[in-house]
Amino acid sequence: GENVEQHPSTLSVQEGDSAVIKCTYSDSASNYFPWYKQELGKRPQLIIDIRSNVGEKKDQRIAVTLNKTAKHFSLHITETQPEDSAVYFCAASIGETSGSRLTFGEGTQLTVNP
Amino acid sequence: ETGVTQSPTHLIKTRGQQVTLRCSSQSGHNTVSWYQQALGQGPQFIFQYYREEENGRGNFPPRFSGLQFPNYSSELNVNALELDDSALYLCASSLQYGELFFGEGSRLTVL
Repeated sequence: GENVEQHPSTLSVQEGDSAVIKCTYSDSASNYFPWYKQELGKRPQLIIDIRSNVGEKKDQRIAVTLNKTAKHFSLHITETQPEDSAVYFCAASIGETSGSRLTFGEGTQLTVNP
Repeated sequence: ETGVTQSPTHLIKTRGQQVTLRCSSQSGHNTVSWYQQALGQGPQFIFQYYREEENGRGNFPPRFSGLQFPNYSSELNVNALELDDSALYLCASSLQYGELFFGEGSRLTVL
């Protein structure tokens, strides 16, 4: 089955700096890669996703890049703010859309220091 | 808010007992997926229901079972509870091939 590895497990940055979280996946058939943000005690919330026919996607301060050859994808957050502090999860699925089962990474605890 | 509601929010059980967790999907969604999230880990796929039929299952034993009702709400049942079953159980609803919308979860503690 699919295996997703996520690094780093913790990340601390100063407000205004950039943060980068990286994930690798094992199954070359995976073609949908969402990122979720989970605040303490809250539900995971989709913040951005990318499909295999796209190499990069950006939404305001958040961007995701995908390298299918190397089987890795990354989340980039620019101009970080304290409210960005949360656990971030990457995920991968085999199938055309997010309705397929997701395999999640272990998560990255991001702390943005004021 | 996603419109996905789960109950109960917290519960405590002892080893060997059985538990039923409930999920009401967002209006218009016909697919429900269940995930187990142990403390400090990512969610793990348990199974998915589409139009009242199981439509995919993760690496969980048969004592994890589920149901989906005609109104697309769903139940997760776990028999013979073990200590390692302590986790946050997340329900997510979607259209069959659509974005997942998670509920707030049911936190189960097994003593």
